[in-house]
Amino acid sequence: KAGVTQTPRYLIKTRGQQVTLSCSPISGHRSVSWYQQTPGQGLQFLFEYFSETQRNKGNFPGRFSGRQFSNSRSEMNVSTLELGDSALYLCASSLGAAGSEQYFGPGTRLTVT
Amino acid sequence: GIQVEQSPPDLILQEGANSTLRCNFSDSVNNLQWFHQNPWGQLINLFYIPSGTKQNGRLSATTVATERYSLLYISSSQTTDSGVYFCAVNSGGSNYKLTFGKGTLLTVNP
Repeated sequence: KAGVTQTPRYLIKTRGQQVTLSCSPISGHRSVSWYQQTPGQGLQFLFEYFSETQRNKGNFPGRFSGRQFSNSRSEMNVSTLELGDSALYLCASSLGAAGSEQYFGPGTRLTVT
Repeated sequence: GIQVEQSPPDLILQEGANSTLRCNFSDSVNNLQWFHQNPWGQLINLFYIPSGTKQNGRLSATTVATERYSLLYISSSQTTDSGVYFCAVNSGGSNYKLTFGKGTLLTVNP
């Protein structure tokens, strides 16, 4: 069974631009979560989607948004990029029940200049 | 929210040595996972262990949920074991996110 895939793997953007990242979960998984990893803040939860509905949201500004499609694929968007948005963005998928094991993709490394 | 503390923050070993990594959490959990982050950043699942003991080759893990801690044991360490090990928990209810500890950076020297 194929794992979680994320595209693109690397991205360089300029401050003020916007970016869209994509995540395809493991087949049969209906929950997709997004995390941001930075050296200073560690791994922080952004949001989680299940059956196209956002169930949880982390403590991030409204510039960070996401959505999930009917095939469970998910996208996250960051508008008006700031230098501090440079990070590794990780996507995880699970079956969706509370406490389900989560499986992570390889991540998208975003650099904002 | 739930707090997760990992210790030690850094660990340096000689190849062949054994090690124990600890994860303390502040509330009851319905999910606890151990991950190894590879050099490219991907989190590799090691154990899903909200309670009990599991073993996988040279690695084993134990979670004592009533005392709110988990231990990851690495025996006969190899240089390829180097990297950051994360513990992450989920506290259940309507909360579906994982809360991560800050990780343990393991360096295994030849």
